[in-house]
Amino acid sequence: NAGVTQTPKFQVLKTGQSMTLQCAQDMNHNSMYWYRQDPGMGLRLIYYSASEGTTDKGEVPNGYNVSRLNKREFSLRLESAAPSQTSVYFCASCRDRTSNQPQHFGDGTRLSIL
Amino acid sequence: AQKITQTQPGMFVQEKEAVTLDCTYDTSDQSYGLFWYKQPSSGEMIFLIYQGSYDEQNATEGRYSLNFQKARKSANLVISASQLGDSAMYFCAMREPRDGGFKTIFGAGTRLFVKA
Repeated sequence: NAGVTQTPKFQVLKTGQSMTLQCAQDMNHNSMYWYRQDPGMGLRLIYYSASEGTTDKGEVPNGYNVSRLNKREFSLRLESAAPSQTSVYFCASCRDRTSNQPQHFGDGTRLSIL
Repeated sequence: AQKITQTQPGMFVQEKEAVTLDCTYDTSDQSYGLFWYKQPSSGEMIFLIYQGSYDEQNATEGRYSLNFQKARKSANLVISASQLGDSAMYFCAMREPRDGGFKTIFGAGTRLFVKA
């Protein structure tokens, strides 16, 4: 019953370092998402992938890249980390055949950039 | 433009009483979905309830019900008989069809405090 698995759970980076956050789901879902959660701002969509082989920008894509490696995996990369990217990052997946499918979330990655 | 608005940053409710958390949304699509999620202090996102734009009846799931007023574009969450374990952040979200799939947008959340 793994659902959505994110790694790592915690990470501290120095400004300018690069890092890839990993996400995998075992529910055969078509769509996957990356969000960031900042205090008082709820979840903001960074990138999403409606299906394997496609990716698209969300509300706050600057400074990030994504790769939909296969149906299961969707990674988020910070090429040159900045303090403004300190946040909690959530990966989510959804079946997407109809709109009444809820998103399933991972436990989040707490990322601090010094 | 803000698509999901939750106007209550924080709410207090007495244990065993009912509470309503407000949510208004903005969309030009006819087909969309509305969701509520709970985020306890442990951080995980828990799906609570769903309402489809074509559903004529308000959704209910146990102690949770969704007061859907389509003309007013509101989708308020009602929690009946509040429990201490209901203390958490609550997020309203809307899913719209986009680019062959669906995209979900979240509100800023409401923090609920249940008092003993």
